[in-house]
Amino acid sequence: DADVTQTPRNRITKTGKRIMLECSQTKGHDRMYWYRQDPGLGLQLIYYSFDVKDINKGEISDGYSVSRQAQAKFSLSLESAIPNQTALYFCATSGSSGGAYSTDTQYFGPGTRLTVL
Amino acid sequence: GQNIDQPTEMTATEGAIVQINCTYQTSGFNGLFWYQQHAGEAPTFLSYNVLDGLEEKGRFSSFLSRSKGYSYLLLKELQMKDSASYLCAVESFSGGYNKLIFGAGTRLAVHP
Repeated sequence: DADVTQTPRNRITKTGKRIMLECSQTKGHDRMYWYRQDPGLGLQLIYYSFDVKDINKGEISDGYSVSRQAQAKFSLSLESAIPNQTALYFCATSGSSGGAYSTDTQYFGPGTRLTVL
Repeated sequence: GQNIDQPTEMTATEGAIVQINCTYQTSGFNGLFWYQQHAGEAPTFLSYNVLDGLEEKGRFSSFLSRSKGYSYLLLKELQMKDSASYLCAVESFSGGYNKLIFGAGTRLAVHP
C-alpha cells in the first residue's frame, strides 16, 4: 500500500462549486503540505501543517482552505472553484526536523488532477 | 527574494552523461534537494546536499557550492527510463520552519 494517498485522483467540476481534496499518510510523519503544479511552473506551496494544531499559509493560499483532522489526514478545500484553479495538486509529508541543519525530505502522494470548467 | 533557475529542457543520448544545473538566490539556505518526476506522477526524492561537494548515489551524483549558489545533478549511463523532469528545490529556514522552494524543473528527453 502507498504511504501517501490522495482522493480523488481526477475531478472535473464547474465554476462556483465547493471541492475537497483529501490526503492520508501511513508514514507517521508530523508535517503535511499541499502544493499545486501548473505546466512550466514549479510546485507552489498552498498550505502546510507541522502538527495537528499548527496550520500555516504558503505562497498561494488565496481561494483555498485546509483542515488537519488528525496526524494522518490533511484536506484541502476550494470554497468556490474557479477555472484558474485547474492544476495538478500534490500532498506531501515529512518527518520532524531535529534542528536547523537536519534533513526534512518530503514524500509526495500520487496527485489529484483537478479541472474547473 | 527567492529565485531558483534551471534549464527548461535538455536532450541526451542513451548511455551518455548529462549535467543539469541549478542556480539559486534564497535567504535562510539550509540545503538543496533534487527530485525526479515522470509525467503525471509524483516527484520522488533523488538526493540532498547540505555541505559543499559531491554526493554520489549509483548513476546519479549531486554537487553543491553554497558560496556560488550553484548545484548540479549528474546522470551517468543514461537509460530511456531517465526521461523525466528533474526538480531542484532549496530548503529555506525561516520563522522557525524549514520549507522547500522548487524550481520550475528541467525536462530531460533521452533518445536512442
